[in-house]
Amino acid sequence: KQEVTQIPAALSVPEGENLVLNCSFTDSAIYNLQWFRQDPGKGLTSLLLIQSSQREQTSGRLNASLDKSSGRSTLYIAASQPGDSATYLCAVRRETSYDKVIFGPGTSLSVIP
Amino acid sequence: GAVVSQHPSWVICKSGTSVKIECRSLDFQATTMFWYRQFPKQSLMLMATSNEGSKATYEQGVEKDKFLINHASLTLSTLTVTSAHPEDSSFYICSASSVTHSNQPQHFGDGTRLSIL
Repeated sequence: KQEVTQIPAALSVPEGENLVLNCSFTDSAIYNLQWFRQDPGKGLTSLLLIQSSQREQTSGRLNASLDKSSGRSTLYIAASQPGDSATYLCAVRRETSYDKVIFGPGTSLSVIP
Repeated sequence: GAVVSQHPSWVICKSGTSVKIECRSLDFQATTMFWYRQFPKQSLMLMATSNEGSKATYEQGVEKDKFLINHASLTLSTLTVTSAHPEDSSFYICSASSVTHSNQPQHFGDGTRLSIL
């Protein structure tokens, strides 16, 4: 059974700092891994999608890496801003392409001005 | 723009009422739709997987008779919370998936906040 964990559960950093969020999964047989952002009381915004054959994806100040064999992914946020404050969720999709997505518990990020 | 539309976004109703939530895929035909529930300060927990034209598959601990799922077309799935009680108050969110879009990010609706009085 696939289990997804995220460390840390919460993080508070001063504005401008670079930071790393961690995601681990127990079953390496994944189809892809996706990072989401969720603002309080809102739905999910997709940030980055990494296919199982890829090592990393970049979008603006965000960079996500994937080490499938070790069951790990990291989300790197450069030059953090107060607007980055949100909960960040990683989610893995099983090897069947349209199979269900399993979410981690999330990391709650606060960027202090 | 949004590729998955969820309606309504917010519902407040009395205990004992049945509530229907709609999830529509706007840009593609969704062979599979997923329903999640999220309690405050917790992550999303999968409730059920619905495939067009067949019965939904429920996760362990989710009551089939309580949460009725219908996926009658390739663009619409509905979740009905029957005889809702205060403990059913939660944030419900759907996502849609397609074999032909398997390399695309999975898209989610904006969620429905259900409050039972």
